[in-house]
Amino acid sequence: SQQGEEDPQALSIQEGENATMNCSYKTSINNLQWYRQNSGRGLVHLILIRSNEREKHSGRLRVTLDTSKKSSSLLITASRAADTASYFCATDKGFQKLVFGTGTRLLVSP
Amino acid sequence: DADVTQTPRNRITKTGKRIMLECSQTKGHDRMYWYRQDPGLGLRLIYYSFDVKDINKGEISDGYSVSRQAQAKFSLSLESAIPNQTALYFCATSDFGGPASTDTQYFGPGTRLTVL
Repeated sequence: SQQGEEDPQALSIQEGENATMNCSYKTSINNLQWYRQNSGRGLVHLILIRSNEREKHSGRLRVTLDTSKKSSSLLITASRAADTASYFCATDKGFQKLVFGTGTRLLVSP
Repeated sequence: DADVTQTPRNRITKTGKRIMLECSQTKGHDRMYWYRQDPGLGLRLIYYSFDVKDINKGEISDGYSVSRQAQAKFSLSLESAIPNQTALYFCATSDFGGPASTDTQYFGPGTRLTVL
């Protein structure tokens, strides 16, 4: 069963706009990670946030975590066409066994 | 060269055939994983290995087996392939426990398997 549910399933924006995607999960976690997948290719790790952290930044990425609501959000600022990909959240209870969400497909148009 | 490689990249086989997917890594990680990805379902864990002598079933291990031949090699076998095993298969590695451990996973490029 999937731990995470992502919302929206698909998102279409223009270059320069911000993209926000959300992830909800069911059980307590050690950390939550976001990965990017370009069409049919391997996943690439973007950012990890631990359960005792509330916000984390990496370049144009901002991740928040609300453990009371069991939810996380990924914000990509000033989107570029190259950001077009599927984005997955993955939760880890502490043993590096990741449970992935269903993903958000992001399309950034020039 | 890629740190995590998978062979073959694409495979078409017939129902009932035995097939092996191979994964090799040069990252020196002890932990390796096999996932499958179906459209709309994200990735699901098939098997994982925390070291050469430690192999564990994941969420969907039925119909699959694995072999950890060395720290760098982790193979996934389908003993008798069936059409609903048609999917994209990914191998991944992770480091754990060392001072530089990041708790993240590093994925191979995937194997697209079609079972007719």
